[in-house]
Amino acid sequence: DIVMTQSPDSLAVSLGDRATINCKSSQSVFYSSNNKNCLAWYQQKPGQPPKILIYWASTRESGVPDRFSGSGSGTDFTLTISSLQAEDVAVYYCQQYYTTGWTFGQGTKVEIK
Amino acid sequence: EVQLVESGGDLVQPGGSLRLSCAASGFTFTTYWMAWVRQVPGKGLEWVASIKPDGSDKYYADSVKGRFTFSRDNAKNSLYLQISNLRVDDTAVYYCVRPAVYDSGSIDCWGQGTLVTVSS
Repeated sequence: DIVMTQSPDSLAVSLGDRATINCKSSQSVFYSSNNKNCLAWYQQKPGQPPKILIYWASTRESGVPDRFSGSGSGTDFTLTISSLQAEDVAVYYCQQYYTTGWTFGQGTKVEIK
Repeated sequence: EVQLVESGGDLVQPGGSLRLSCAASGFTFTTYWMAWVRQVPGKGLEWVASIKPDGSDKYYADSVKGRFTFSRDNAKNSLYLQISNLRVDDTAVYYCVRPAVYDSGSIDCWGQGTLVTVSS
């Protein structure tokens, strides 16, 4: 199985500041047939199912604010919230779908400082 | 509106069985892979199983292989997860999910989840 490791486990950021979450996979999730990375990011608020933010590592889902961006390739990926808003308080997960058995990172809790 | 509605979660004893259902609506069900993802309350996400659009192939996490059976009825736009020999560590919210059609991997639609509690 591909192991996904996120860092940090939690972070506190002031409103309007940048939040950066890292995700590392135990093997490359780069799919050479379409030159894309099979990596998604999700946001989960309490009592709700996760919501997709980013797919193909850097493509923003329709309707997702542009303060959310994804980057990286191969085994190292980053989710950036450029200017943290109060409604961004949540747990964020990365997920690889390079293999049929998807795996998720352990989650990163984002709070307001 | 795309919608996934799970049902069937319950409190069951270890070794027991349960059947989860998921009713899909608002999209062409027969063209999508579908899957189950579970989450222990307060913990992370775990992929459970996936099924091809025509139901011909199914894939399972090692933790559930041999105990869970995933099926679909395309005529009823429904999914079923038959769970047997339940263990305490199967306790979780089970989400019915739809992978995006463009990559069959990122999940663009989640149900609200159904809670399975395994306890004596």
